[in-house]
Amino acid sequence: KNQVEQSPQSLIILEGKNCTLQCNYTVSPFSNLRWYKQDTGRGPVSLTIMTFSENTKSNGRYTATLDADTKQSSLHITASQLSDSASYICVVSGPGGSYIPTFGRGTSLIVHP
Amino acid sequence: DGGITQSPKYLFRKEGQNVTLSCEQNLNHDAMYWYRQDPGQGLRLIYYSQIVNDFQKGDIAEGYSVSREKKESFPLTVTSAQKNPTAFYLCASSVTGGGSPLHFGNGTRLTVT
Repeated sequence: KNQVEQSPQSLIILEGKNCTLQCNYTVSPFSNLRWYKQDTGRGPVSLTIMTFSENTKSNGRYTATLDADTKQSSLHITASQLSDSASYICVVSGPGGSYIPTFGRGTSLIVHP
Repeated sequence: DGGITQSPKYLFRKEGQNVTLSCEQNLNHDAMYWYRQDPGQGLRLIYYSQIVNDFQKGDIAEGYSVSREKKESFPLTVTSAQKNPTAFYLCASSVTGGGSPLHFGNGTRLTVT
């Protein structure tokens, strides 16, 4: 069964600090992996997409990595801000137009001043 | 602006009543999805539709029904058969069924007492 596991489940850090969120998956075949940010009471918004051939991709203070061999991804947040407080969800998709993406349970990040 | 609209934001119903959640998109997307989110849990797929007049059950379809009479609309009915209907419901759309980013609405929080 295709699965996406995220760790840690929750994380509390101080403003200005860096943090790294992890995502392990067993989805096969693999097409791409996305990280979404979900603010409380809102819908998730896509942050980055990683395809099989990509190792690293940045979006501002967010940097995602992918190791397709070990089926692991990470999302690194640099110089955290209060607005980074949210849930971060890892979503993995297979190829083909009919493939339904597999969601992780998310990591809840709280940034304290 | 293109987007996906869910209404209402909050919905309250008495146990035993059916209730319909609205989801409309003007992104011209073929695929639409309904997810349920409970505290501390990931998004779980209820139903999805990849083309007008066709839809498929997701992982937790029991007690729910949908219709897809128009490309831009995908309403979800929570029936009295749903044992634990209180939850946060998210609607999403995408260009194709797999690999493309999901565009989410901002959700409907349903409370049944």
